[in-house]
Amino acid sequence: EVQLVESGGGLVQPGGSLRLSCAASGFSFISYWMSWVRQAPGKGLEWVANIKQDESEKYYVDSVKGRFTISRDNAKNSLYLQMNSLRAEDTAVYYCARNPRVGSAVIPGDYWGQGTLVAVSS
Amino acid sequence: DIQMTQSPSSLSASVGDRVTITCRASQGISSYLAWFQQKPGKVPKLLIYAASTLQSGVPSRFSGSGSGTDFTLSISSLQPEDVATYYCQKYNSAPWTFGQGTKVEIK
Repeated sequence: EVQLVESGGGLVQPGGSLRLSCAASGFSFISYWMSWVRQAPGKGLEWVANIKQDESEKYYVDSVKGRFTISRDNAKNSLYLQMNSLRAEDTAVYYCARNPRVGSAVIPGDYWGQGTLVAVSS
Repeated sequence: DIQMTQSPSSLSASVGDRVTITCRASQGISSYLAWFQQKPGKVPKLLIYAASTLQSGVPSRFSGSGSGTDFTLSISSLQPEDVATYYCQKYNSAPWTFGQGTKVEIK
């Protein structure tokens, strides 16, 4: 059974840092692109970042470039999101998602974790 | 960056009605479009990818169409369990932008 379990969320002051983790199991983690998607309270979904299997390609939404870093440890079947210089507008539930390849395309999340809440407030 | 615009923002329909949601891209994205369903308090679920390919396990009353800039998600016969917010997402290139969502309710 595919499982994605996020952790590391919490309350942090503006300007602070957090590192989110996503533990993957039930599939060959090294074979998949992975993504982070967030959802502010009562708002829609926002794609944050994704990463290729070997970390050779990483992409970010403009609002987090230079502040967030996506990474992975294939030996530990884990995905990470290092979040620095946090702002109030980063407050959201953060989901990790698996991105399978179908034909020539990498498609958005076919499996999602339950999410971890990040609250940025003084 | 390419913007994704969904319409309507919300709709109310009767059980058994056909429901159609539209997603428009500000530039062409070929068929690199997915649709997600998010029920209240739940995790998003992939319904359709490649504009019209039904994800495994998704009921056949859901269908998708379109290419280029204009896409639709249809529910052929609305069921009570379809109450949810539906999102489109482009994935031809980064950023993989979502539409703002369409909330579907039962009349």
